[in-house]
Amino acid sequence: NIVLTQSPATLSVTPGESVSLSCRASQSISTSIHWYQQKSNESPRLLIKYASQSISGIPSRFSGSGSGTDFTLSINRVESEDFSIYYCQQSYSSLYTFGAGTKLELK
Amino acid sequence: EVQLVESGGGLVQPGRSLKLSCAASGFTFSNYYMAWVRQAPKKGLEWVATISTSGSRTYYPDSVKGRFTISRDNAKSSLYLQMNSLKSEDTATYYCARHYGSHYFDYWGQGVMVTVSS
Repeated sequence: NIVLTQSPATLSVTPGESVSLSCRASQSISTSIHWYQQKSNESPRLLIKYASQSISGIPSRFSGSGSGTDFTLSINRVESEDFSIYYCQQSYSSLYTFGAGTKLELK
Repeated sequence: EVQLVESGGGLVQPGRSLKLSCAASGFTFSNYYMAWVRQAPKKGLEWVATISTSGSRTYYPDSVKGRFTISRDNAKSSLYLQMNSLKSEDTATYYCARHYGSHYFDYWGQGVMVTVSS
């Protein structure tokens, strides 16, 4: 199975800061990585597909980059509504896997 | 508007069975792969099963293969998950999701809780 390692596990920031969340794959997966946001007690929401492609309705402050094994989700100027958990997911293998998540919390 | 509504969750004893349902609306159900994703309490997301548009192909991780069966009824726009030989580690919220192109999960239901306990 392809293992996705997200770091850091927790990121403490103040609103207005810009942040980068990392997702590293155990093998090269091209750009077959997707990012989700899950707020407390809510269902996950798709943020970015295929590493860097935007999703309709998602604020432009969210962006993704990377290919191969290293991927990044960037949030430009964090807003209060962004404090939640972020997951990456790979679709290179049909044994789909998620990372363990990065919790973005208020400092 | 795409809507996915799960049902069928509850408390079940270890070793018993349970069947979840997901009613889909707002899109042409038969054109899309569908999936189940679960989340144990205070844990991360785990993919559970995917089914092709016609239902002819199904995919499972080792953790549920042989115990869980995903199926669909395109005429009813419904997705199902038959769970047999349930274990305590199957306790989780189960989400129905549209599995776009069998790549990413672009729409999710609200989830249904399954608790496996004696």
